[in-house]
Parts: sequence; structure tokens; C-alpha cells
Amino acid sequence: KNQVEQSPQSLIILEGKNCTLQCNYTVSPFSNLRWYKQDTGRGPVSLTIMTFSENTKSNGRYTATLDADTKQSSLHITASQLSDSASYICVVSSENTGNQFYFGTGTSLTVIP
Amino acid sequence: DSGVTQTPKHLITATGQRVTLRCSPRSGDLSVYWYQQSLDQGLQFLIQYYNGEERAKGNILERFSAQQFPDLHSELNLSSLELGDSALYFCASSPLGGPAGELFFGEGSRLTVL
Repeated sequence: KNQVEQSPQSLIILEGKNCTLQCNYTVSPFSNLRWYKQDTGRGPVSLTIMTFSENTKSNGRYTATLDADTKQSSLHITASQLSDSASYICVVSSENTGNQFYFGTGTSLTVIP
Repeated sequence: DSGVTQTPKHLITATGQRVTLRCSPRSGDLSVYWYQQSLDQGLQFLIQYYNGEERAKGNILERFSAQQFPDLHSELNLSSLELGDSALYFCASSPLGGPAGELFFGEGSRLTVL
């Protein structure tokens, strides 16, 4: 069964600290993996997208990693800011017919001063 | 601003009623996806259209239907509404019809069924 699991479910960190969010997937065949940021009540916004051959991709203070062998990805946030408070969603896409995008349930990050 | 426009932003209605949600994709994007997000839940795929044709269907209830028009805007029709249909409904557009395409999400339509 194609699934995407994220951990932790929620996380609270102090402003200025780093954190790492995890994503494990069983989606096959694999096409690419994306991380989205979703502010409360808003639409998701893309942070990174990685294909099979990419191990690391950065977008400012966000760095995503991908291990296609173990089917794991992580999103590392450096020097967190209050505006980083949001839900971070891992999405794995597949060449399957039918549904092509498999969404995790997200990690809710709260950055406190 | 993703370039994807959804209307209405908020909608309050009663059980048993019917509503229509509208999505205008980014200029040039041929694919439109509809997702449902219930409180504290992940996004659930409902249906995808590509250039006016249904491309993929997810866990969309029979009470729900959608279509994509020649100008590429899409509408999601929800009928015989139940309390459990209360959710955020997101539309996303993509220039491609497959999994390689970037997804651009609208701001959502929040439906409250009383």
C-alpha cells in the first residue's frame, strides 16, 4: 500500500534553534518527493522537490535530504524564526495511474520566542 | 500568490443543501486537482482533470462531482451535504498532467455545514 508517514506529529522549538522533520514512504514506483509548508488555513506552498538522483536540496534555511534506498527523507530547518510556525507536509509522487500524489499528514511546528 | 484563485473563500450552509466551489488555475496550467482537508487531517485527493478530461479519481463521494470547462476553470459540486463534509477544499493546478509537474495550491474554500 502506498503510504507516507511523517514524524513527529508536532514539535515546539525555541526561536533560533534548528530542527529536523522526518518522512518515510512506501510509494512505488517513485517519481519525486516534495516538501510543502502550510500556514494555518492557507494553501500549501512548495519548499523543495527532489528526484531519485538528488540527495540534498536547499531553499534558504530549509534543507531537504532524500535516501531513495531506505525510502526516507528529512527536512532540516536552520535558525528557526517565528514565521516558520506551520505544518510541513511531505508529498511523494508516483507514475501510478490514478492518484499520483501521496500526502503525509504533516508535522505541526511551533516556534516560540 | 500562487496564481490559483478559489471562490468562495468561506461558505456556511445547512445539511441537505448543495454548493459549488470554483477554481481558476494559473494561466497556462492544464491540470486541476481537488483536495479535501478536514480538521487536523491530511489532504485527501478527490479528483484530477487535465485539459477538460477527467484524469484520475480518488476517494470522491458519489454526492460530489466536478468538471473542467473549456477555459480550464473547474467547479466542484457538493450535494446532499452532511455535517462531515465541513472541511477546507483546495484546488491545485499544474502545467503537466503527471507526477513531475509542480503543484500550485489556491487558498482554499472553507465549507461549514450546520
